[in-house]
Amino acid sequence: DIVMTQSPDSLAVSLGERATINCKSSQSVLYSSNNKNHLAWYQQKPGQPPKLLISWASTRESGVPDRFSGSGSGTDFTLTISSLQAEDVAVYYCQQYYSTPSTFGQGTKLEIK
Amino acid sequence: EVQLLESGGGLVQPGGSLRLSCAASGFTFSSYAMSWVRQAPGKGLEWVSGISNSGGGTYYADSVKGRFTISRDNSKNTLYLQMNSLRAEDTAVYYCAKKGGGSCYNRMDVWGQGTTVTVSS
Repeated sequence: DIVMTQSPDSLAVSLGERATINCKSSQSVLYSSNNKNHLAWYQQKPGQPPKLLISWASTRESGVPDRFSGSGSGTDFTLTISSLQAEDVAVYYCQQYYSTPSTFGQGTKLEIK
Repeated sequence: EVQLLESGGGLVQPGGSLRLSCAASGFTFSSYAMSWVRQAPGKGLEWVSGISNSGGGTYYADSVKGRFTISRDNSKNTLYLQMNSLRAEDTAVYYCAKKGGGSCYNRMDVWGQGTTVTVSS
């Protein structure tokens, strides 16, 4: 199974500042046939289901604010929130869908400093 | 509007069975793979099972293999999860999620609100 490891486990950032969350996979999730990284980022607020933010490592979903961006390839990925807003307080998960079982990172809890 | 509505959760004794359903609307159900993902109280997300758009491909986490069965009825726009031999560690909120394409090797772009399963005597 592919192990997804996020860092840090928790993060406190001031409003308007940049937040960066890292995700590392135990093996590459770059699929050679389509040259796409099978990596997604989800946001989960308390009492709500997860919401897809980023797919294919860097493609932002429709309606997701452009302060959210994803980058990376192969085994190392980053979710960046360029200017933290109060509504961004949540737990963020990365997930690989390169192989089954699909696996999630342990989550990163983002709070306001 | 794309919607997923889970049902069937509840309290069940260890060793018991439960069948979850997920009613889909707002999209062509038969064109998309689907998954079940669970979240134990205070814990992270765990993928449980996936099924291709036709139902011809099914996949399971090792933790549920041999005990859970995923299926779908494309004529009823409904996804199912039959859970047998339930254990305390199966206690969780169970979410159904739509995949972005017909294959299971795709992101989960729409999620239901979840249904709670509690396994306890």
